[in-house]
Amino acid sequence: KAGVTQTPRYLIKTRGQQVTLSCSPISGHRSVSWYQQTPGQGLQFLFEYFSETQRNKGNFPGRFSGRQFSNSRSEMNVSTLELGDSALYLCATQTGLNTGELFFGEGSRLTVL
Amino acid sequence: AQKVTQAQTEISVVEKEDVTLDCVYETRDTTYYLFWYKQPPSGELVFLIRRNSFDEQNEISGRYSWNFQKSTSSFNFTITASQVVDSAVYFCALSAYMNRDDKIIFGKGTRLHILP
Repeated sequence: KAGVTQTPRYLIKTRGQQVTLSCSPISGHRSVSWYQQTPGQGLQFLFEYFSETQRNKGNFPGRFSGRQFSNSRSEMNVSTLELGDSALYLCATQTGLNTGELFFGEGSRLTVL
Repeated sequence: AQKVTQAQTEISVVEKEDVTLDCVYETRDTTYYLFWYKQPPSGELVFLIRRNSFDEQNEISGRYSWNFQKSTSSFNFTITASQVVDSAVYFCALSAYMNRDDKIIFGKGTRLHILP
């Protein structure tokens, strides 16, 4: 059974640019959550999607957005990048809402210069 | 508000020593889930355990054991006879049990170094 796939794995952007990250969940998993991981803040929840609807949102500015497609794949977008957006962005999926066990991808490491 | 505190940011122990990672949580919910995840250098978090709030029995899985104490709002994780492969960042997490729209909140993690 294929795991959670995140692309790209690494990327470098400059301030002001925008970036789109992709997450393909495990087959049958309908919930996709996104987390930002930084050394100082640990794992911070961005948002969760289920059946193409955003079900929950963390405390991030509107520059951070996401969506989910009918096949459960999800994308997140960060516009007008800032230096502080440099982080590991992790996608986590589960079969339904709040089932407990999250399956994580290896993350997309974003560096903003 | 829900909160998970992992006071130990970094721990180093020599191989074969036992080590305990602390986790203290805050929640207004009477029923909730607690979790531990392991993040090896590859970056992918791996689920270790889920515990329901109404089940205070301690759990042991091989060299891993978990001590859940509702009275002190703690869910500590002990690795017995540590090995170099246990080196990783470990996260404790919390979510509401009955609220299907609630998110899983993570602590900031404890980086564990097992020295050969």
